[in-house]
Amino acid sequence: GNSVTQMEGPVTLSEEAFLTINCTYTATGYPSLFWYVQYPGEGLQLLLKATKADDKGSNKGFEATYRKETTSFHLEKGSVQVSDSAVYFCALSGDAGGTSYGKLTFGQGTILTVHP
Amino acid sequence: DTAVSQTPKYLVTQMGNDKSIKCEQNLGHDTMYWYKQDSKKFLKIMFSYNNKELIINETVPNRFSPKSPDKAHLNLHINSLELGDSAVYFCASSQAMGALYEQYFGPGTRLTVT
Repeated sequence: GNSVTQMEGPVTLSEEAFLTINCTYTATGYPSLFWYVQYPGEGLQLLLKATKADDKGSNKGFEATYRKETTSFHLEKGSVQVSDSAVYFCALSGDAGGTSYGKLTFGQGTILTVHP
Repeated sequence: DTAVSQTPKYLVTQMGNDKSIKCEQNLGHDTMYWYKQDSKKFLKIMFSYNNKELIINETVPNRFSPKSPDKAHLNLHINSLELGDSAVYFCASSQAMGALYEQYFGPGTRLTVT
C-alpha cells in the first residue's frame, strides 16, 4: 500500500534560518503530493501541492518539488519566522483508478519550533 | 464564517459510554471525511462520504458508525468507548473526490476516554 515517511522531528531553528523537512513516499502510479500545516490548537491547512512529476508547489515562501526519480517531496523555506512554528505533514493521494484515489495518506508529522 | 465546524471541541467520557461528534460544512462540498489523530500526531483516514454515500471505510472497529443526513453534515457515533479511542478526530470536506480537490479540515474534537 501507499506510505509516506518524513524526517524525524522535532526541528528547532532560529529565526531566518533555512528549513528543510524531508519527505519520501511509496506509491504505485502517479500520486499527487501535498504539504499540510497544523498550527497549535487548529485543524490542518493545505500549504502546497504538486500533482505531477517535476511540478513545484509554493506558498508563503515554502516550496517543494515532486521528484519521481527519488520519490521525494522535500519542503524548504529560505528564511523561517517564529510564526512558522507548527506541525508539518507530508501526504499523498493516489491517482484515479487506484484503491487510494481521493484518500490522503499522511506522514508522521514534523514539529517545527522557531525561536526569535 | 467557519467553513468546517465540529462539535464538541472537547469530549471527556468514561469507558463503555456511547458518544457522538458532529460535523458541518458550509462550503457546498460533496465529499466529507473523518480522520483520527493519535497522541503521536499520526493522522489516518477513517471514513469518506460522497453525496451521502459511504465511499471509504478503512479498517475501523464497527463500534464507529458514521452517518450523513445530508451533504453538509457527517456525524460520527462511537459505541462502547475504549481507552484506545482517545484521540483528536478531524472532519474534512472537499468539493469532490480526488487528489485535485483540496480538503478543508475542521478544528478537531479532542476525545478523552477515562
